[in-house]
Amino acid sequence: AQKITQTQPGMFVQEKEAVTLDCTYDTSDQSYGLFWYKQPSSGEMIFLIYQGSYDEQNATEGRYSLNFQKARKSANLVISASQLGDSAMYFCAMREGGNYGQNFVFGPGTRLSVLP
Amino acid sequence: KAGVTQTPRYLIKTRGQQVTLSCSPISGHRSVSWYQQTPGQGLQFLFEYFSETQRNKGNFPGRFSGRQFSNSRSEMNVSTLELGDSALYLCASSFSPTDIANQPQHFGDGTRLSIL
Repeated sequence: AQKITQTQPGMFVQEKEAVTLDCTYDTSDQSYGLFWYKQPSSGEMIFLIYQGSYDEQNATEGRYSLNFQKARKSANLVISASQLGDSAMYFCAMREGGNYGQNFVFGPGTRLSVLP
Repeated sequence: KAGVTQTPRYLIKTRGQQVTLSCSPISGHRSVSWYQQTPGQGLQFLFEYFSETQRNKGNFPGRFSGRQFSNSRSEMNVSTLELGDSALYLCASSFSPTDIANQPQHFGDGTRLSIL
């Protein structure tokens, strides 16, 4: 079963506007972490933001915030004031805690294009 | 401090050959994971190493193998290369697998392998 679902293959946003990238996940673990990564066309994967399953507050990192709705198992990334340099692939990922050696699972990604 | 370093950046091989890719983690990071990224399959987990031991393995054939050295550097080997092995191979490091749910992985720039 798909553990991470990103239903938007591609998104467009106007420069300076906010955009929300969707992510839903599936786990039966109580302890897990949710991560967002950005991959520009050059290929490197850049860590953006993290949310722990026990965190009560939504994570924020500069222009990035994570809208965490635990009951719905969703962890949407919100980018405020989009910039042209935000154009990239965005991946949602999860790592389950508990047993040693749980690997990261990545979603299929969303390609964000910021329009001038 | 220096990020994750992968060498080489680009590699061209022919079918049937073998290849070794190298990854140096961020200083102090002891866990190294490898991923294969293709347009069709997305990011797929290959394996994870910690303390020179493979801790987790993805669903790849035995032609894909890896190892980790005492200095945490890791190598990945692919034998009897096939056309379908053409991909971007990404290495990621994290501090340690303990309390793993809240440990982001930091990625290198990847090795782009092309099989002719």
